[in-house]
Amino acid sequence: DTEVTQTPKHLVMGMTNKKSLKCEQHMGHRAMYWYKQKAKKPPELMFVYSYEKLSINESVPSRFSPECPNSSLLNLHLHALQPEDSALYLCASSPSQGRDGYTFGSGTRLTVV
Amino acid sequence: KNEVEQSPQNLTAQEGEFITINCSYSVGISALHWLQQHPGGGIVSLFMLSSGKKKHGRLIATINIQEKHSSLHITASHPRDSAVYICAVNRGSQGNLIFGKGTKLSVKP
Repeated sequence: DTEVTQTPKHLVMGMTNKKSLKCEQHMGHRAMYWYKQKAKKPPELMFVYSYEKLSINESVPSRFSPECPNSSLLNLHLHALQPEDSALYLCASSPSQGRDGYTFGSGTRLTVV
Repeated sequence: KNEVEQSPQNLTAQEGEFITINCSYSVGISALHWLQQHPGGGIVSLFMLSSGKKKHGRLIATINIQEKHSSLHITASHPRDSAVYICAVNRGSQGNLIFGKGTKLSVKP
């Protein structure tokens, strides 16, 4: 298995909803990343997990809460989002942090209404 | 000024043409990546370079560490090559990528 799988592919949520994005890989990669991408912009790093520990948090608002329950799974819990949080959320993994190639998921397109 | 600059921003080519996309960076790096993003959103990693040149099919990537410059070449371009091509760099061991703004390539039949 050489893929990063993200679910759901599309999500529409209200500003009072709680939802979660899921990212899964079975390549034995020990670093996992969340990126946010607005239209026609490059991805922006949100969080990095290395060996299931949060190693980088790029000053992301607390309405985004990451979780790495095991080495294959990365979640992003969403609560009380704003319409400006609508974006493509990309997950990626790499064998280790910063030294190897990356595998990206196909993303979750989130719309906050 | 962005740490990673790409040119051109937009590129339209006829099928069969040779295409070059350039990337310059202003920081020390441990590796440079070329990525491809189709309209659906998913990103595919094409190359990771720390020196020299790599080739995969019709794609060739080169890097000049002294000049802090990399190029991505596509030979015999095809409409299915239409996508956004993104240059990104690793700084040290932090793991996070610094992205260029991307080059939108459109190949016409």
